[in-house]
Amino acid sequence: AQSVSQHNHHVILSEAASLELGCNYSYGGTVNLFWYVQYPGQHLQLLLKYFSGDPLVKGIKGFEAEFIKSKFSFNLRKPSVQWSDTAEYFCAVITNAGKSTFGDGTTLTVKP
Amino acid sequence: KAGVTQTPRYLIKTRGQQVTLSCSPISGHRSVSWYQQTPGQGLQFLFEYFSETQRNKGNFPGRFSGRQFSNSRSEMNVSTLELGDSALYLCASSPDRAPDTQYFGPGTRLTVL
Repeated sequence: AQSVSQHNHHVILSEAASLELGCNYSYGGTVNLFWYVQYPGQHLQLLLKYFSGDPLVKGIKGFEAEFIKSKFSFNLRKPSVQWSDTAEYFCAVITNAGKSTFGDGTTLTVKP
Repeated sequence: KAGVTQTPRYLIKTRGQQVTLSCSPISGHRSVSWYQQTPGQGLQFLFEYFSETQRNKGNFPGRFSGRQFSNSRSEMNVSTLELGDSALYLCASSPDRAPDTQYFGPGTRLTVL
């Protein structure tokens, strides 16, 4: 069975600090990896995704993530966070057969 | 294009009742997935429908069922409601079958008393 683990449940940062949110998954086959974000009062939306190719993927709003196959990880990074990045972040694994597994989410609070 | 719409937005039911939730995908999208979201448990995958066929199902009891119509609209049904079914139920549509990018709706907040 596949699983996704997000190590940090709540992260608090000051503006301009660097961000790294951890995501590890467990699955023996080919995976497709996603980060979704839910801003306060808004719907979940895609930040970035990795299917294949360059393991460093760039998403919206300056976010990026690196797929490290040997570590089963897909960590999300941003060099300098802004107050508007306050949101809940979800890592997800979807197999080629279409089975989706989301992590429990990480709440990011950015202090102005 | 209009986004994913879900109706109703809020529901209050009592234990033992059944409920039907509706999801209208983005025009042209053929895949609809359903998720249950509860505090501390993230999103739990319920099922995915593509071209009126259920492709995948998560680890939920048979009380949870769904269907998809020829216009890609989808419904989810929960029978014999339990207190633990209180949650936000999210629908997501994709142009093609998963693992295509999913576009989420606002959810239906179900409260079971």
